[in-house]
Amino acid sequence: AQSVAQPEDQVNVAEGNPLTVKCTYSVSGNPYLFWYVQYPNRGLQFLLKYITGDNLVKGSYGFEAEFNKSQTSFHLKKPSALVSDSALYFCAVRDKASNYQLIWGAGTKLIIKP
Amino acid sequence: NAGVTQTPKFQVLKTGQSMTLQCAQDMNHNSMYWYRQDPGMGLRLIYYSASEGTTDKGEVPNGYNVSRLNKREFSLRLESAAPSQTSVYFCASSEGVGQYNEQFFGPGTRLTVL
Repeated sequence: AQSVAQPEDQVNVAEGNPLTVKCTYSVSGNPYLFWYVQYPNRGLQFLLKYITGDNLVKGSYGFEAEFNKSQTSFHLKKPSALVSDSALYFCAVRDKASNYQLIWGAGTKLIIKP
Repeated sequence: NAGVTQTPKFQVLKTGQSMTLQCAQDMNHNSMYWYRQDPGMGLRLIYYSASEGTTDKGEVPNGYNVSRLNKREFSLRLESAAPSQTSVYFCASSEGVGQYNEQFFGPGTRLTVL
């Protein structure tokens, strides 16, 4: 069955340091991968997506993600964290077997400390 | 351009009461979705509408009904609310249901069923 795992409930990073939020997936076909961010009491906002091509995808607010097919991972990264990056981050995947519906991870709370 | 709007923002119901959550989008999107978000569980799809005039069940449709009123509007109805339906409900839209399309989310409705 298709699934997405975000192994860390919470990630703590000091401002200015690089950050990584992890995501692994399991799908039967070619994966289409997405990252979304949710700020407190707000809806989700699209950050970036991997469909095909270059394994390093750049998105909004300086975020990027690296697709690794052999490790079935799609980790979200940023070279230098800002306090304003503190939010809840969701990874999602879709494939043909799920009729292209999004399968969501449980979310990772990112806390950036000044 | 308001994007995706939802009403109401907050609602408290008693067990057995009914209510309708309203959603509208002004992006001329074909597809619309209703999700519920519960702590530690990510988002779960309740119903979706691939295009005007069609609706389909998602992962957790029991206890809910939907209406795609026109291309802009997609409502979610709880006929007889239960405490298990206490959650945050998000409406989303996308150009289509295909694998390339990111979804755009509304601000959410926080529902409590007593």
